[in-house]
Amino acid sequence: GENVEQHPSTLSVQEGDSAVIKCTYSDSASNYFPWYKQELGKRPQLIIDIRSNVGEKKDQRIAVTLNKTAKHFSLHITETQPEDSAVYFCAASFSGSARQLTFGSGTQLTVLP
Amino acid sequence: GAVVSQHPSRVICKSGTSVKIECRSLDFQATTMFWYRQFPKKSLMLMATSNEGSKATYEQGVEKDKFLINHASLTLSTLTVTSAHPEDSSFYICSARSGFTNSPLHFGNGTRLTVT
Repeated sequence: GENVEQHPSTLSVQEGDSAVIKCTYSDSASNYFPWYKQELGKRPQLIIDIRSNVGEKKDQRIAVTLNKTAKHFSLHITETQPEDSAVYFCAASFSGSARQLTFGSGTQLTVLP
Repeated sequence: GAVVSQHPSRVICKSGTSVKIECRSLDFQATTMFWYRQFPKKSLMLMATSNEGSKATYEQGVEKDKFLINHASLTLSTLTVTSAHPEDSSFYICSARSGFTNSPLHFGNGTRLTVT
């Protein structure tokens, strides 16, 4: 089955700096890669996703890049703000998978004011 | 956008009792819903896939007789934790897909279960 590894587990950045979170996946058949943000005690919220037919996607301060050959994808947050502090999860899935999504282990991002 | 409602948000129960958690898709039909368990500062662990009108598919290591899943309609799935023990205390979250395969998952708000 699919295995998703996520790094780092914790990340602290100064407000205004950029944050990068990286994930690798094992199943070359995976073709959908969402990122979720979860605040303490709340539901995961989809913040951006990318499909395997594109290499990069951007939405304001958030961008995701995908390298299918290397089987890794990354989340980039620019001009970080304190409200970006949360746990971020990457995930991967294959269209034919009954498991839907395999999640990474999560990254606790702290943006220091 | 698609909304998934999960109830209750918090529940405290005594050991040996059963607890039912509901997951509803409010504005879309969900043939498939997913139940996750999340430990503090840990990732989401898929417990089972709930299929409308059929038996749930459980992940390896998840006791199907302990975690009963019923998906009686296209908008409702329930998870019942039977004969709860303190080690069942956790954060349980459901999710549903609003479209076809690989469409985004929408999560419920989660249920904090505490078994005393």
